[in-house]
Amino acid sequence: SQKIEQNSEALNIQEGKTATLTCNYTNYSPAYLQWYRQDPGRGPVFLLLIRENEKEKRKERLKVTFDTTLKQSLFHITASQPADSATYLCALDILSGANNLFFGTGTRLTVIP
Amino acid sequence: DAGVTQSPTHLIKTRGQHVTLRCSPISGHKSVSWYQQVLGQGPQFIFQYYEKEERGRGNFPDRFSARQFPNYSSELNVNALLLGDSALYLCASSRTGGNTGELFFGEGSRLTVL
Repeated sequence: SQKIEQNSEALNIQEGKTATLTCNYTNYSPAYLQWYRQDPGRGPVFLLLIRENEKEKRKERLKVTFDTTLKQSLFHITASQPADSATYLCALDILSGANNLFFGTGTRLTVIP
Repeated sequence: DAGVTQSPTHLIKTRGQHVTLRCSPISGHKSVSWYQQVLGQGPQFIFQYYEKEERGRGNFPDRFSARQFPNYSSELNVNALLLGDSALYLCASSRTGGNTGELFFGEGSRLTVL
């Protein structure tokens, strides 16, 4: 069956450290992988998109890697801040022809001051 | 510019009733997608409309229907509500209807079915 698993429901880290979130998938062949941030009671906000032929993408303190052999994406936040506390969702795009993203269940990150 | 706007923000219905949720996309965006997010889960795709035509449909029963209007706004209708329909309903817009790219989500409509 198709699965998208994100590491642990919750992740607590100390301010200033690097947070690493994992997204593993099975029985999908995504062309793109996206990461979104979602705050409680709000809609998801797009952060980064990485294509299957890209190994790494960076944006400010964010870095995403994509390994299609391992079927895994890693999402890093360096120099984490309390304001980074949120739920982070990975989403797969299999280029179905529609805006049909397959989302993981998310990882709730808490950055402790 | 205004983002994606959804209404109502919260609503409570009873089993068997019908609900209509509304969405206005970002100006210039012609595609609207609907997602259902049950508490503790990631969003799940329901429909996509592009240029007023259905482009995709997720694994939802026929009780769910949608349409897009000439101004690209959209409605999601759910008939014969069940307790399990309680969720956050998210609307997302994008410029194109094909490859996904970035989706711009609204804040959602929180539906509670009693």
